[in-house]
Amino acid sequence: VQLVQSGAEVKKPGESLRISCQASGYTFSNYWINWVRRLPGKGLEWMGRIDPADSNTNYGPSFQGHVTFSVDKSITTAYLQWTSLKASDSAMYYCARGGWSDHWGQGTVVTVSS
Amino acid sequence: QLVLTQSPSASASLGASVKLTCTLSSDHSSFTIAWHQQQPEKRPRYLMKLNSDGSHTKGDGIPDRFSGSSSGAERFLTISSLQSEDEADYYCQTWGTGIQFGGGTKLTVL
Repeated sequence: VQLVQSGAEVKKPGESLRISCQASGYTFSNYWINWVRRLPGKGLEWMGRIDPADSNTNYGPSFQGHVTFSVDKSITTAYLQWTSLKASDSAMYYCARGGWSDHWGQGTVVTVSS
Repeated sequence: QLVLTQSPSASASLGASVKLTCTLSSDHSSFTIAWHQQQPEKRPRYLMKLNSDGSHTKGDGIPDRFSGSSSGAERFLTISSLQSEDEADYYCQTWGTGIQFGGGTKLTVL
């Protein structure tokens, strides 16, 4: 099982961004993909999840309306997207597999600065 | 409301044992949790799933030095024969309608 995330991003406030998490080594549709944020100096924070089987999503209360999850089953890839970044979105973002987060991506660092 | 409570920090000496605690909110005392380790500058790593009866299933390649146990609403992670690479942040996690993480415990190996 592997989850491979896209590389580091540097963006300006107001810009859009999509980061990815490509899964391999298992049946992609069988496990939810979670997105988890780690702010500098803080703990892990669940952003929400997407079911690759039907693209059903659940968003954490702090993230509803600010981010969007999607998947492309043909390339076993999950995406996390922002339409208008804020400086406060600067963080490390991880994808993780399933309810128990039993496999993690390596993380994507996002820096938002003017 | 589902809440997982962890002490912010813990410390123990090289070669010793340490027991980390995750306390579930009272209405959720029977919940299964998972423990994760995050070493500095590394991705989190799944350690184990821990049931209310103390039975646990470890992730691939997790050493025998890591074990879990439970008592009531408390879930424990015990690390024996501490090594320098055990210095890390440890998180408990559970899920229901969504995933909930504890605040994490920063373990220092002296």
